Amino acid sequence: GENVEQHPSTLSVQEGDSAVIKCTYSDSASNYFPWYKQELGKGPQLIIDIRSNVGEKKDQRIAVTLNKTAKHFSLHITETQPEDSAVYFCAASKGGSYIPTFGRGTSLIVHP
Amino acid sequence: GAVVSQHPSRVICKSGTSVKIECRSLDFQATTMFWYRQFPKQSLMLMATSNEGSKATYEQGVEKDKFLINHASLTLSTLTVTSAHPEDSSFYICSAGGSADTQYFGPGTRLTVL
Repeated sequence: GENVEQHPSTLSVQEGDSAVIKCTYSDSASNYFPWYKQELGKGPQLIIDIRSNVGEKKDQRIAVTLNKTAKHFSLHITETQPEDSAVYFCAASKGGSYIPTFGRGTSLIVHP
Repeated sequence: GAVVSQHPSRVICKSGTSVKIECRSLDFQATTMFWYRQFPKQSLMLMATSNEGSKATYEQGVEKDKFLINHASLTLSTLTVTSAHPEDSSFYICSAGGSADTQYFGPGTRLTVL
């Protein structure tokens, strides 16, 4: 089955800095890669996703890149703000009825 | 759009009692819903996949007689924790399958069994 590795487990940055979270996956058939943000005591919220026919996708301060050959994808957050502090999860899926496999999560702390 | 609600958000119960958690897709129909359990500072652990009108598919190691799942309509799935014990205390999260492979998560239910 699919295996998703996520690094780092904890990331501490100063407000205004950029943050990068990286994930690798094992199943080359995976073609859908969502990222979720989970605030304390709440459910995960989809923040951005990317499909295997695209190498990069941006939405304001967040972007995701995908390298299919190396089987890794990354989340980039620029100009971080304290409200970006949360746990971020990556996931990989083969789409359709396939259930996504989640990474172990990255706790992002943005210091004001 | 794509809002999923859960009720209750928090529940405290005595050991031996049963607790029902509801998951609703508010603005879309979901043929498939998922139930996850999350321990503190850990990732999401899939418990079961709930399909409307059919029996749920449970992950290995999840007791189907303890965690009863019903998906009676395209907008509602329920998880009942039967004869709850303190070790069942956890954060339970549902998600609903939207269009184009996307899963939308509910806000979660914090279960505490005394």
